Amino acid sequence: GAVVSQHPSRVICKSGTSVKIECRSLDFQATTMFWYRQFPKQSLMLMATSNEGSKATYEQGVEKDKFLINHASLTLSTLTVTSAHPEDSSFYICSASPRADYGYTFGSGTRLTVV
Amino acid sequence: AQTVTQSQPEMSVQEAETVTLSCTYDTSESDYYLFWYKQPPSRQMILVIRQEAYKQQNATENRFSVNFQKAAKSFSLKISDSQLGDAAMYFCAYRSAVWGQKLVFGQGTRLTINP
Repeated sequence: GAVVSQHPSRVICKSGTSVKIECRSLDFQATTMFWYRQFPKQSLMLMATSNEGSKATYEQGVEKDKFLINHASLTLSTLTVTSAHPEDSSFYICSASPRADYGYTFGSGTRLTVV
Repeated sequence: AQTVTQSQPEMSVQEAETVTLSCTYDTSESDYYLFWYKQPPSRQMILVIRQEAYKQQNATENRFSVNFQKAAKSFSLKISDSQLGDAAMYFCAYRSAVWGQKLVFGQGTRLTINP
């Protein structure tokens, strides 16, 4: 149980365009989801906490207007990278947990390349 | 704020041998969870083992076990009978027991298994 699905797994987009990444909890409801960014050979960096039905909470230094998060249902959160630039190229991962005493489950990640 | 420190950027072990990965953390909370996650080359984050701070007994999952020292704020991972498939990045993570809180990750340890 506690499966999180993330799509797409890879995306290449042109500079200036927007890209949407989806994160779905398949077998549980997730009132909270987390979005991470990971650079090569580095740890996961939390970008924002996605809250169902309310505004996301962004970590310090993360541009809210650049990384739009929508959590419109209990099973879906989306991250939209707006006006993407090459420096936005990275690996993005989402995670969620079905309950307080359960470990967090991660999506398979999205490798974004902006050309 | 809580912090997690993994002081070993890289470790290597001979196949079938035992290796221990170190992790220390800092928190003022008394109730929390600690995790070890594995990230193989596929970059999928996989939960290896979980420890609840209020439990004195060390968690064990097959060949994986932890040495949890609450007073010392130490949480090491022991991998017995190492296998080639254990090669990966290993991340130690902390989470408050309060529902909805984020995972705080360590820097990671890259484990190499020598055949």
